Amino acid sequence: DAGITQSPRHKVTETGTPVTLRCHQTENHRYMYWYRQDPGHGLRLIHYSYGVKDTDKGEVSDGYSVSRSKTEDFLLTLESATSSQTSVYFCAISESTGGLGEQYFGPGTRLTVT
Amino acid sequence: GQQVMQIPQYQHVQEGEDFTTYCNSSTTLSNIQWYKQRPGGHPVFLIQLVKSGEVKKQKRLTFQFGEAKKNSSLHITATQTTDVGTYFCAGRRAAGNKLTFGGGTRVLVKP
Repeated sequence: DAGITQSPRHKVTETGTPVTLRCHQTENHRYMYWYRQDPGHGLRLIHYSYGVKDTDKGEVSDGYSVSRSKTEDFLLTLESATSSQTSVYFCAISESTGGLGEQYFGPGTRLTVT
Repeated sequence: GQQVMQIPQYQHVQEGEDFTTYCNSSTTLSNIQWYKQRPGGHPVFLIQLVKSGEVKKQKRLTFQFGEAKKNSSLHITATQTTDVGTYFCAGRRAAGNKLTFGGGTRVLVKP
């Protein structure tokens, strides 16, 4: 498995609180992604990064922000968590531009917003 | 926006039987990838198809990319209990830089 870790692995938080999820890689891959996985929806892209400080929105970016200050770390922040953001969040990395190279996924973070 | 649909959503298969899962895109794709996710696990890359009509095999798994590059299929022969999991296709549009995932086919194997 590629060197990708996510923290925390599980989190329960209350509606309205801010939450930050961390993705850390040791592969020095340029591209990093945040997905959410919900039953029946597969994996939906939230945000992605194509380099340090270079990020762009995915298809479900509302309510989320990201930052990438170092190659190895990609942070996903929920500014004010809502129950609709209860989901499993996966980070992925890729050596090649998104969609061309295979993506390696982290173990996931299960987030519950009560 | 681009949509990628997978059918069926669920597939119950008797051990030893064959089955096929299908992936259809609303737009022409530049390439398509397939991933497998075991229960409780994370998606793992299986294969990428790039050329129109391309067929690739991995042991009992056969992947095909349609001639029009808008659909793909995964055929598994002689299903085993190790094939349990959810199979996702993911496509990229020409000049696009993101993958769009299908909803997945969850495979359950009856011993």
